[in-house]
Amino acid sequence: NAGVTQTPKFRVLKTGQSMTLLCAQDMNHEYMYWYRQDPGMGLRLIHYSVGEGTTAKGEVPDGYNVSRLKKQNFLLGLESAAPSQTSVYFCASSYGGANTGELFFGEGSRLTVL
Amino acid sequence: AQSVTQLDSQVPVFEEAPVELRCNYSSSVSVYLFWYVQYPNQGLQLLLKYLSGSTLVKGINGFEAEFNKSQTSFHLRKPSVHISDTAEYFCAVSSSGGSYIPTFGRGTSLIVHP
Repeated sequence: NAGVTQTPKFRVLKTGQSMTLLCAQDMNHEYMYWYRQDPGMGLRLIHYSVGEGTTAKGEVPDGYNVSRLKKQNFLLGLESAAPSQTSVYFCASSYGGANTGELFFGEGSRLTVL
Repeated sequence: AQSVTQLDSQVPVFEEAPVELRCNYSSSVSVYLFWYVQYPNQGLQLLLKYLSGSTLVKGINGFEAEFNKSQTSFHLRKPSVHISDTAEYFCAVSSSGGSYIPTFGRGTSLIVHP
């Protein structure tokens, strides 16, 4: 099984450009998440989804949008990229209930905004 | 609300020495606790989890952790570390108070010296 797959793995943007990160999971998980990782800040939750067609804001949602049109996919969009969005982005998925906290992660997408 | 504090941002140790990485949590309801490991340029993977039952939890690669409700702690231990254990370690908590969505600590960098 592929698990959680993120594309692209690397991207360089200019300020003001837009882009979409794609996350796909093949484990039939209900929950999916987007985190960003910055030095000394740990993992911060951007948005998450508890099922197909649902999305919710996390800790740092400003400047990002998400969609979950299919259960296996979770898209993260940046409408107008800013240098503050330079980060490593991780997608994750999980079952619900007590096992919600057991996340399966992708390998990350490194985004640089110039 | 739930939160996690990892008390040490960096822990240097010599190979074959024991190590303890500290994690304290805050929650007003019952919790589920997790430790993840992140090797350089990779995503996170689960080391171990506490959902219920025995407070001493064993995980992969010889790691174990003990849930202490009175101290609100979930410290990670290994009796003898290897160079290959050099990585970033994250503690996470989930609970019904947070809709079971996990909250991560800021991470502890374990550096194993030869």
